[in-house]
Amino acid sequence: QKEVEQNSGPLSVPEGAIASLNCTYSDRGSQSFFWYRQYSGKSPELIMFIYSNGDKEDGRFTAQLNKASQYVSLLIRDSQPSDSATYLCAVSPFSGGYNKLIFGAGTRLAVHP
Amino acid sequence: GAVVSQHPSRVICKSGTSVKIECRSLDFQATTMFWYRQFPKQSLMLMATSNEGSKATYEQGVEKDKFLINHASLTLSTLTVTSAHPEDSSFYICSATGTALGFQQFFGPGTRLTVL
Repeated sequence: QKEVEQNSGPLSVPEGAIASLNCTYSDRGSQSFFWYRQYSGKSPELIMFIYSNGDKEDGRFTAQLNKASQYVSLLIRDSQPSDSATYLCAVSPFSGGYNKLIFGAGTRLAVHP
Repeated sequence: GAVVSQHPSRVICKSGTSVKIECRSLDFQATTMFWYRQFPKQSLMLMATSNEGSKATYEQGVEKDKFLINHASLTLSTLTVTSAHPEDSSFYICSATGTALGFQQFFGPGTRLTVL
C-alpha cells in the first residue's frame, strides 16, 4: 500500500466551479499535511498546510483534514484556467521540526473555459 | 522571502561524467535541505536529507556513494551525481527549511539532468 494516495486524474472542471482534490495516507502518526501545486516542468509551490482536524481556508482554497479517516482534501472555489496543474498532497510523519515529506503521485486538474 | 535557487537549471552530460548541482537559500538560513528526484509523470521521491555541518541521511535504495551531498554552510547544499548514466536522467529538486520557517519546505526551481 502506498503511503500517500491520490487519484491521478485528470479531474476536469469548468471555469468557476469548485474543484475537489482528495488524498489518503497510511501512517496514523502523521501530523502535518501539505498541498502543493506543480506546473509542468516546474518545481512544486506550497498552497496550504494543515495539521488540525477540520477546515482551513485561505482565499479560494480550503483544506480539510480528518485524521480518524486518514483523509485530507483541497477545495478550490471559483476555479480558473490558471489553476490547471498537478496538485501534490504531502504528509509529514512527525509534528513540527524539519521533517521529510512523503508525496502522493499527484492529481492533474484541468479547468476549461 | 524564502527563496531557494538551484544551479544549473539544465545540464546535459556524457555517460560516466560527474555533475554537481547547487542549491542555495537566498534570504534565510537553511538548517535542513532535502533533495528529491522526479521522473516524468511521477511524484517527487525524497533522496536524502542534509543538515548543515553533518552527513546526509539517505533514503532506502539511494546510493550514497553515487549521489554525494554536501551541506557545508547554512545557505548552500550540493548534490553531485558521480559517474552518471542515462538512467540518472531526471528532474532534481532541492528544498530548504530553517528555524524561521518552522516546518515549511520551500523548493528550488529544479535541475533537469540529461545523461547521453
